[in-house]
Amino acid sequence: ETGVTQTPRHLVMGMTNKKSLKCEQHLGHNAMYWYKQSAKKPLELMFVYNFKEQTENNSVPSRFSPECPNSSHLFLHLHTLQPEDSALYLCASSQDPGQGARNTEAFFGQGTRLTVV
Amino acid sequence: GIQVEQSPPDLILQEGANSTLRCNFSDSVNNLQWFHQNPWGQLINLFYIPSGTKQNGRLSATTVATERYSLLYISSSQTTDSGVYFCAVDPSGSARQLTFGSGTQLTVLP
Repeated sequence: ETGVTQTPRHLVMGMTNKKSLKCEQHLGHNAMYWYKQSAKKPLELMFVYNFKEQTENNSVPSRFSPECPNSSHLFLHLHTLQPEDSALYLCASSQDPGQGARNTEAFFGQGTRLTVV
Repeated sequence: GIQVEQSPPDLILQEGANSTLRCNFSDSVNNLQWFHQNPWGQLINLFYIPSGTKQNGRLSATTVATERYSLLYISSSQTTDSGVYFCAVDPSGSARQLTFGSGTQLTVLP
C-alpha cells in the first residue's frame, strides 16, 4: 500500500448527485487534509483534521462536507455541486508537531479528478 | 497570510541541461517542501527543507530562511523531469496551513 490512497481516481457527477471521495493514510499520521486544485490555480486548502477533530475550514461552501471517522480515514461528501467545482481534489496527511514530532512533512494521495456536468 | 512566489513560471530545457527554480516567501517559515506534480496529478515529495541544503541524486535544494527563499537545482535534466514543481510553506512548523506557490512548469525536450 502506498502512503496515502484516494478513491475514486476519476469521478463524473451531475449537479443533483451525491457522491463521496475517500482517503486513507498508512503512515501513522494524526492530521489529514483536503485540498482543491483548479486549472491554472495553486492548491487551495479546504479542510484540516487533527486527531479526528476539524480544526480548519477555509470558507468552503456547505455543499462540501468532510468526515473523519478515525485518524487514518477521511471522506469528502459532495452534494448539489456546480460545474465550477470541477477540479482535482487531493488528500494529504502529516504528523502534527503537538505530539513532539520534529518532521511535519506532508504526503499527498494521487488525487480524484472530479467533473461536474 | 503568507505569500509564496515561484519563478520562472515556465521553463523549457534541452535534455542534459541544468536549471534552478526559485521560491520566495513573505514571512518566516518552519516548514518548506518541494513537490513535483506528474502528468497524472500526483504530488511527489522531493524535499522537506525548512533550512539548509539537501541533495538527492540529480536534485538538490537550498533554503536560506533568514532571507526567505529556497532554490531547487535540477542537473542533467531528463524528459521524465517534466511537470510542475511546487514550493509550499507553513509558518507554524506544522502542515496545517501549507501555502503553495503557483508552480514552475518545466518541459524537458529530447
